[in-house]
Amino acid sequence: NAGVMQNPRHLVRRRGQEARLRCSPMKGHSHVYWYRQLPEEGLKFMVYLQKENIIDESGMPKERFSAEFPKEGPSILRIQQVVRGDSAAYFCASSRLGGTAYEQYFGPGTRLTVT
Amino acid sequence: AQTVTQSQPEMSVQEAETVTLSCTYDTSESDYYLFWYKQPPSRQMILVIRQEAYKQQNATENRFSVNFQKAAKSFSLKISDSQLGDAAMYFCAYTNSNYQLIWGAGTKLIIKP
Repeated sequence: NAGVMQNPRHLVRRRGQEARLRCSPMKGHSHVYWYRQLPEEGLKFMVYLQKENIIDESGMPKERFSAEFPKEGPSILRIQQVVRGDSAAYFCASSRLGGTAYEQYFGPGTRLTVT
Repeated sequence: AQTVTQSQPEMSVQEAETVTLSCTYDTSESDYYLFWYKQPPSRQMILVIRQEAYKQQNATENRFSVNFQKAAKSFSLKISDSQLGDAAMYFCAYTNSNYQLIWGAGTKLIIKP
């Protein structure tokens, strides 16, 4: 069973460029969560999506950040006009169903470096 | 506000000894889940153990066990017979009714051979 896949594992962008992070959930999982981890900190929730729906985006910055989970294909976290403060590890997790009882399985993360 | 606090930035233990990592949380909800995750240098987030708040019995997974004190809002992790492979960052996390995982800042565990 393939786990949660994220690519790329490492991404370097210059200030002002766009970053696209991809997440393929585990087989049979239709719920996806994105988290950001700054250096020396725990993870911070960003957004929770189901197929074609954003359920909770309360952790997403209001500008430059967007996320989608289309009917076909991976979930995409998009950061426009990146700034140095966006440098972090971005983790995707998936679960079979929504709700507090369902364990979230994590991908290996994408480390974004903005130069 | 819902918060998770890990008061120990770093802990060290001799190989084969026992170590306890502390975690406290703050919530007004009555039904929730608590987790301990391990993040080794590979940065992969690995679930170590989970506890349902409605269960009084403490969860156990092999050498890992928790001491869950609901009234005190405390959720500590005990690692018995520590092994070199246990060296990692350990994060305590809590799931709220919005399905978000709320995370502590982590405790770095060092295993001394």
